[in-house]
This record gives sequence, C-alpha cells and structure tokens, in this order.
Amino acid sequence: QKEVEQDPGPLSVPEGAIVSLNCTYSNSAFQYFMWYRQYSRKGPELLMYTYSSGNKEDGRFTAQVDKSSKYISLFIRDSQPSDSATYLCAMKLSNDYKLSFGAGTTVTVRA
Amino acid sequence: GAVVSQHPSRVICKSGTSVKIECRSLDFQATTMFWYRQFPKQSLMLMATSNEGSKATYEQGVEKDKFLINHASLTLSTLTVTSAHPEDSSFYICSAKPSGGSSYNEQFFGPGTRLTVL
Repeated sequence: QKEVEQDPGPLSVPEGAIVSLNCTYSNSAFQYFMWYRQYSRKGPELLMYTYSSGNKEDGRFTAQVDKSSKYISLFIRDSQPSDSATYLCAMKLSNDYKLSFGAGTTVTVRA
Repeated sequence: GAVVSQHPSRVICKSGTSVKIECRSLDFQATTMFWYRQFPKQSLMLMATSNEGSKATYEQGVEKDKFLINHASLTLSTLTVTSAHPEDSSFYICSAKPSGGSSYNEQFFGPGTRLTVL
C-alpha cells in the first residue's frame, strides 16, 4: 500500500465548473498537508498548505483536511483553462523535511 | 518569491557517460536541498537529501555511488549521474529549503531537468 494515494485521472471539466481533487494517506502522524500545481515539464509550485485538520481558503482554492478519515481535498471554484495542470498532494511530519507525494491528478479545463 | 534554478533543463547523453545537474537557490540560502526523480504520470520520488558541507542522505534503494551529490555552498547542489544507462532517463527535480525559516519548512522546487540516455 502506498503511503499517499491519489487518483491520477485524467479529469476533464468545462470552464467555470468546480474541480474536486482528493488524496488518502496511511500515516496518521502526518501534520502538514500541501497541494502543488505542476505544469507540463515544469517543477511543482506550492498552492496551499494546511496544518493539522480544518479548512483553508485562498481565492478560488479551498483545501480541506480530515485527519480522522486520513483524507484531504482541494476544490477549485470557477475553473479556468489556465488551471489545466497536474495537481499533486503532499504531506509531511511536523519534525521532518521529507515530503510524501501523491501520484498527481491531471486536470484539463475546457474552454 | 524564492526562486530555484536548474541547469541544464534538458540533456541527452550516450550510455556510459556521466551527467551533472546543477540546482541553485537564486535569492536565498539553502542549508538543505532535495533531489527527486519523476517518471511520466508518476509521483515525485525523493532520492536524497543534500546538506551543505556534509554527506548526502540517500533514500533506500538509491545507489549513492551512481548518483553523486555535492552541496558545496549554501546556494548550489549538484547531482551527477555516473555511467548513465537508458533506465536512468527521467525527470530530475531539486528543491531547496531556506535556511532558518518557519516551522512549516517550505521547500521551493526547481523547474526540473529532463535526462535522456541513449
């Protein structure tokens, strides 16, 4: 069993739709949860991070963490073609630098 | 924002040769840098943690004699793939953690290097 599971998709939605992405994990000790966006042939860029459980909102992006279920989500509202990318979840222990990544979900927003 | 560069962005080499990839933090100092490998449609896999002035820490299953890492300064880490073979073809990405920083310990990623071994 992988430490972090993420459905690779692909996911295709029309412009303006809500994109819903999620990951599950097995290590209950993870404390920091991140979402990265990666365009083709580029390095990942951090979108959001959350510490422990709860919700966090930043513009059109909302991240949710449910530690009891070991489940995290990212929602993108009013999606745009420029949101087309691969989205990777990542998580880490509070006292460690190492990031454990999901496989990434490829999202295409159709104009 | 913090910027990390990698050079080269793409490299094609013959089997048996060695290839060096540079990772630089452009506007911050990084005591710790990380090297990842990413296969198509797969996740980033941590290969090693590079610490300035000391030996790198390699993840299980990564050959340290094949993937040589040098972190000679607070802004530069290099990864040398020695005696490269076609199975080493991959996308190599580095990240850098600013020295000091918050408890979150954010890493900033480079744009990646595409290595193709013929």
